[in-house]
Amino acid sequence: QQPVQSPQAVILREGEDAVINCSSSKALYSVHWYRQKHGEAPVFLMILLKGGEQKGHDKISASFNEKKQQSSLYLTASQLSYSGTYFCGTPRRGGADGLTFGKGTHLIIQP
Amino acid sequence: EPEVTQTPSHQVTQMGQEVILRCVPISNHLYFYWYRQILGQKVEFLVSFYNNEISEKSEIFDDQFSVERPDGSNFTLKIRSTKLEDSAMYFCASSRSTDTQYFGPGTRLTVL
Repeated sequence: QQPVQSPQAVILREGEDAVINCSSSKALYSVHWYRQKHGEAPVFLMILLKGGEQKGHDKISASFNEKKQQSSLYLTASQLSYSGTYFCGTPRRGGADGLTFGKGTHLIIQP
Repeated sequence: EPEVTQTPSHQVTQMGQEVILRCVPISNHLYFYWYRQILGQKVEFLVSFYNNEISEKSEIFDDQFSVERPDGSNFTLKIRSTKLEDSAMYFCASSRSTDTQYFGPGTRLTVL
């Protein structure tokens, strides 16, 4: 089963914050976050491996609630370069498995 | 910084023809993957490969598809008898272990 992402799309002004959610109906071993710009490959943002883990990278951070089987990606003080489609991916079985991706969240940052 | 490379960047083929998509994973990585993305849709897993054999494949990866690591650096995806619905972006990815998967730039396959 694919993870479910919400919202489907977000339009922000530069400097505003956004939260993208990813939830699963099955137990999660880890959550992988990627950003994809139009016509390009997905670019790795971060991976969360433990329940309750939070990670940050510049003004992008994420949390992982293993119990609730969900993860959230936080974009703070968004920049124009943050525009793109954000995908969360979860391992199909665990370990070094292929990822099942959600349908993505389209983020548009306007000046 | 090492990266995954893929060739060609764009492949156009006639329906029914065979295509081979090539990938060079990051050199010290042990796990290799193929994904595809139909235009405007999400990224879909096709197959994972470890220790010279397929470790997992999705329902999309039927007998039409095969993968091979012909030498120490290349990882290929062969699609036999291509169909119109095979038109998509095909991404190769690699990982060192059970963590980050790094994607290549992709091959855009167009089946006419």
